[in-house]
Amino acid sequence: AQTVTQSQPEMSVQEAETVTLSCTYDTSENNYYLFWYKQPPSRQMILVIRQEAYKQQNATENRFSVNFQKAAKSFSLKISDSQLGDTAMYFCALRDDKIIFGKGTRLHILP
Amino acid sequence: DGGITQSPKYLFRKEGQNVTLSCEQNLNHDAMYWYRQDPGQGLRLIYYSQIVNDFQKGDIAEGYSVSREKKESFPLTVTSAQKNPTAFYLCASSIDGRLKETQYFGPGTRLLVL
Repeated sequence: AQTVTQSQPEMSVQEAETVTLSCTYDTSENNYYLFWYKQPPSRQMILVIRQEAYKQQNATENRFSVNFQKAAKSFSLKISDSQLGDTAMYFCALRDDKIIFGKGTRLHILP
Repeated sequence: DGGITQSPKYLFRKEGQNVTLSCEQNLNHDAMYWYRQDPGQGLRLIYYSQIVNDFQKGDIAEGYSVSREKKESFPLTVTSAQKNPTAFYLCASSIDGRLKETQYFGPGTRLLVL
């Protein structure tokens, strides 16, 4: 069965610092996609970044990047130069023949 | 403005009552999804539809029903058989059901039991 584990329920960092959110997953499929979603206090789910499993190159979107380690089944999210607006719940998700979300990491950016 | 709308924002259900949550999209997406979110939990898939007049059960379909009579609409009914319906419900859509396609989410509906 597919699983997604986010081992950090909550984190706090100072504004402008770099923070890394961890995610590990398990799947028996070879073709799959991984996503990070952000859920701010408004509760609107917003896609942050996605990674195709067959691509070795790590995905990057402005200040957001991932460290995708396929053999280790790890998919961490790095936020550089963190901003107050980054305060949110962050969910890691795996999509193979179905989609599974982790339980989330609550990230606080402190002024 | 293209997007996904959900209504109402808050919904109250009495014991034994069926309630329906609305989800509409004007993105011309074929696939639509319903998720349930409980406190401290991730999203869990209730139902999904890849095309009009067709839908499949997700991981927690018991006590819920859906219809997909129009491409832009995917209403979710929470029936009286759902014994613990209090949760935040999110609707999403994607261009189609392929793995690579990003899901776009609506603003959600919070359902509370009186």
